[in-house]
Amino acid sequence: EPEVTQTPSHQVTQMGQEVILRCVPISNHLYFYWYRQILGQKVEFLVSFYNNEISEKSEIFDDQFSVERPDGSNFTLKIRSTKLEDSAMYFCASSDLPIKPQHFGDGTRLSIL
Amino acid sequence: SQQGEEDPQALSIQEGENATMNCSYKTSINNLQWYRQNSGRGLVHLILIRSNEREKHSGRLRVTLDTSKKSSSLLITASRAADTASYFCATDAFAGANSKLTFGKGITLSVRP
Repeated sequence: EPEVTQTPSHQVTQMGQEVILRCVPISNHLYFYWYRQILGQKVEFLVSFYNNEISEKSEIFDDQFSVERPDGSNFTLKIRSTKLEDSAMYFCASSDLPIKPQHFGDGTRLSIL
Repeated sequence: SQQGEEDPQALSIQEGENATMNCSYKTSINNLQWYRQNSGRGLVHLILIRSNEREKHSGRLRVTLDTSKKSSSLLITASRAADTASYFCATDAFAGANSKLTFGKGITLSVRP
């Protein structure tokens, strides 16, 4: 069964540094999402992306965050200047239609030192 | 804001027993979904129920939705040790490109062999 893959599985970064989290959605999917889960807390929506533009974003997704689909397969989340509170598990998801289930990757654990 | 809140927070049962998990939410939804998360892994979609549906089955899973009470339940019949995981309900208020999931905190299910 097709999978959403995310790399790296674990990223350790100094505060203030830029990070790029990478995702390869399922190939025929058109809708892409990023979520995050701070340890012990709920999974939170960050952003949705369709047709090469952001469809929806949450209050968390401020100017430090950006998303990009640089080619036909990758979907990236960039955090420009990381803060300690950005430490979390970041999940990428994709779906073929917005009404259909979202398929999640295994996540990237981001640790900010 | 809409919230999915599950109860109980933790459930421990014997293999072969049924597990019932409940979810409540606050605002109107387009659909409600249940996901499973094994430790250290991503979210796996289990079942989706639309706001105009009342009950849905998938294998050993049965989900109900009561929009008047803003609640849903997930029943896992004849549980197995492999069902041990965290279970999340997630609501989606939208049907279009701005679809996004709002997750509850999850229920930790332990199935004793």
